[in-house]
Order: sequence, then C-alpha cells, then structure tokens
Amino acid sequence: NAGVMQNPRHLVRRRGQEARLRCSPMKGHSHVYWYRQLPEEGLKFMVYLQKENIIDESGMPKERFSAEFPKEGPSILRIQQVVRGDSAAYFCASSGLPSNYNEQFFGPGTRLTVL
Amino acid sequence: DQQVKQNSPSLSVQEGRISILNCDYTNSMFDYFLWYKKYPAEGPTFLISISSIKDKNEDGRFTVFLNKSAKHLSLHIVPSQPGDSAVYFCAASASPYNTDKLIFGTGTRLQVFP
Repeated sequence: NAGVMQNPRHLVRRRGQEARLRCSPMKGHSHVYWYRQLPEEGLKFMVYLQKENIIDESGMPKERFSAEFPKEGPSILRIQQVVRGDSAAYFCASSGLPSNYNEQFFGPGTRLTVL
Repeated sequence: DQQVKQNSPSLSVQEGRISILNCDYTNSMFDYFLWYKKYPAEGPTFLISISSIKDKNEDGRFTVFLNKSAKHLSLHIVPSQPGDSAVYFCAASASPYNTDKLIFGTGTRLQVFP
C-alpha cells in the first residue's frame, strides 16, 4: 500500500529555468494538495486539485506557477522561470474524500534549489 | 496574517516526562484541527486530530485538548520518548470553505533527552 509519492526528491535549477514537480497520490485518493515550506517556516497551502479540476488555487502565486491533475498520471506543479526565492520544500498531500474528518497524507517532498 | 500560531519554537523534555505543545488560532470558522509530526528531510506524518464538537481526543500516548472559547489547543505526549524528537505542526481547516486546505502553524521543535 504505497503512500504518496513525489519525484524528484531533490531538484536543482538555475534562474530562468523551469521546474516540474510530480506527485502520485495514495491509491484510491482523488484529491491532491500542494504546500510549500520555506526555510524555518510552516507549510503554506498553494493549490487543491481533483482529477482534471482546480478546486482552490488561492495560495498560488499569480505568475509563473501552475498545477494540473490529469485524468491519467500524476499531479504536476510547474514553476516557470524560477528565481532564488522559489527555493523551498514542496510537499504534496492526498485525501480520499472532502469531509470534515479526513486527514491529508503527505509525500516526502521535493526540495528545490535555485542557483 | 498568521491564523494558526505556535509561539514556542522549541521545547526540551526529559524522557518519561510529559511534553505539552501549544497552538492558538484566530479564525473562529476553523472546525477541525490536526497535529503532524515531521522529521528532517521527510514529509509531515499525521498524528492525531480533533473536531470542534469535542474537547478531547486520545490515541495511545497522544492526547489533544481543544478549548474553543480560548481558541487554543494543546498536544500532550506522555510518557515522552527519544523517538518523539521532531518538529510538531498544528494545522486547522474550515469545512464551510469546502476546500479542506490546511492552515499550518510554524512548528515547535521537540527534543526529548535521556
């Protein structure tokens, strides 16, 4: 029973390049959440997706960031033209159903370093 | 605007004693609260949760208390063990928003020493 999988675990990009982070939710889960953790800070919500739909993107920066969760395949968080301030740990979480009492299960994270 | 606050960045406790981690929130719409534990270079691991209709939830060595009038919750770990040493995050959600996004505190680093 595999948990939430994220790859790559570590990603190094130079300023101006693109970063693609992948997340495969737990088996049976159709709700995916992306969070970002800056050094010495808590996790900050970015976006909530269900299959083929963005439900809440209130935490996404207005430019350069996008997310998708296609019908087939993993969820992708895409950062275009990365800047040093994008360096952070990006965590994906999944849940089974939206309810008052679900828990979100987190992946190991992708640590993005922008040189 | 920090809606979930963990005012103690660190806590040091002797093995076998009780660890008490505190969390305050400001948004009265929050109705579900969770505690996560995080080791370095790993994702957060769910520990225990509580709904706003309860004031206590217990699971083994872990108990969460909720004081709605004070907008305060706490996590008690007893007895504390060295393996409990990690960063603990308090999180909250507000189901009326229908998004289930979690709002996290900044974490408390717990160190349990022998």
